[in-house]
Amino acid sequence: GAGVSQSPRYKVTKRGQDVALRCDPISGHVSLYWYRQALGQGPEFLTYFNYEAQQDKSGLPNDRFSAERPEGSISTLTIQRTEQRDSAMYRCASSIGQGKAEAFFGQGTRLTVV
Amino acid sequence: GQQLNQSPQSMFIQEGEDVSMNCTSSSIFNTWLWYKQDPGEGPVLLIALYKAGELTSNGRLTAQFGITRKDSFLNISASIPSDVGIYFCAGQAVPTSGTYKYIFGTGTRLKVLA
Repeated sequence: GAGVSQSPRYKVTKRGQDVALRCDPISGHVSLYWYRQALGQGPEFLTYFNYEAQQDKSGLPNDRFSAERPEGSISTLTIQRTEQRDSAMYRCASSIGQGKAEAFFGQGTRLTVV
Repeated sequence: GQQLNQSPQSMFIQEGEDVSMNCTSSSIFNTWLWYKQDPGEGPVLLIALYKAGELTSNGRLTAQFGITRKDSFLNISASIPSDVGIYFCAGQAVPTSGTYKYIFGTGTRLKVLA
């Protein structure tokens, strides 16, 4: 597509429920990044993929968070047993390659856990 | 999570003035990206830098890759009201540990007084 697309744009879920956030990168972009951004703060790294391989998941806060990109295109970030502290803006970015490449962001998914 | 230090944290300037901000890291980076974020929007890429000492312009914006490879600078000339927003730097470290993640700065909030 023309830009990075994320869905849903907004998600409200009850504490304890699982949520899945979707990212559709720019067509042809092989690297895909997930970030979490608190209001007024810079994006905080969660994980990234090169093609379908998850190259770095060091930023995932705990084992309730997981991500996959099975066909090297669309990616899903899953949060199990959500907690209120998981409420944040989740952002996805993609780049044409993993080194020395521009990364472009989507509009993000605003997750609210009530 | 890890974040880069940006300075200043915020600034008010008069329309027409020039603006300077910087970003510093304790690690050597091989790529610097600069973004602008408006309220409710995702970060928008402004400038990409790939080489130590490189100076790159995009309209009224000029960014430099510091020669130590541990810092970068962004200048905005003749500011206008629409320059208001949060500016983020992002650095990509030399992938000695195999990761190409981008680490973001804490942001510089710019407000332009007409």
